[in-house]
Amino acid sequence: GQQVMQIPQYQHVQEGEDFTTYCNSSTTLSNIQWYKQRPGGHPVFLIQLVKSGEVKKQKRLTFQFGEAKKNSSLHITATQTTDVGTYFCAGQFTNAGKSTFGDGTTLTVKP
Amino acid sequence: GAVVSQHPSWVICKSGTSVKIECRSLDFQATTMFWYRQFPKQSLMLMATSNEGSKATYEQGVEKDKFLINHASLTLSTLTVTSAHPEDSSFYICSARPGVAGPDTQYFGPGTRLTVL
Repeated sequence: GQQVMQIPQYQHVQEGEDFTTYCNSSTTLSNIQWYKQRPGGHPVFLIQLVKSGEVKKQKRLTFQFGEAKKNSSLHITATQTTDVGTYFCAGQFTNAGKSTFGDGTTLTVKP
Repeated sequence: GAVVSQHPSWVICKSGTSVKIECRSLDFQATTMFWYRQFPKQSLMLMATSNEGSKATYEQGVEKDKFLINHASLTLSTLTVTSAHPEDSSFYICSARPGVAGPDTQYFGPGTRLTVL
């Protein structure tokens, strides 16, 4: 079936260090979304990438969509303790189709 | 905007009983709603896709007679876990997608934690 692989599963960083999580698909995606889930909370939509090679920034967060629309990354610059949580990517293989979630990357930040 | 509510937020029930969970889009119409379950420290697993006015589409391995989904209006979908057993204990999350004219994203409800004794 169509899967979205996400790595790493866990990442522990010192406050101030950078963090990156990666998602890969074996087949071309229509679009990809990123969500953040705080411990005990529900997923919150961060951003959607649609165009090949697209790069979007939200303050310290940088989102990229690969040229082939098969991979994506989320990079956080100078992590803060408020960044802790699990980051999920979710890929759609067809327009308005269902989303397939990656396994998530759980980020912990040591102050 | 784009608020999705879920009720109840948590429920504890005895084995064999049925539990109904409601998912509402509060400030937009959702032609499509999704139901997920999430086990501790795991990802979201799609259970079914619910379209207003039509039968839900279930993912492979999800028993449609056990997990009854009704999407009676553009703002409400319900998931009923029938004859619940301890293995059904999980975090159930719904999401709602705005209509065709809206963005192609999902807005998640706060989830319902089900514990079956």
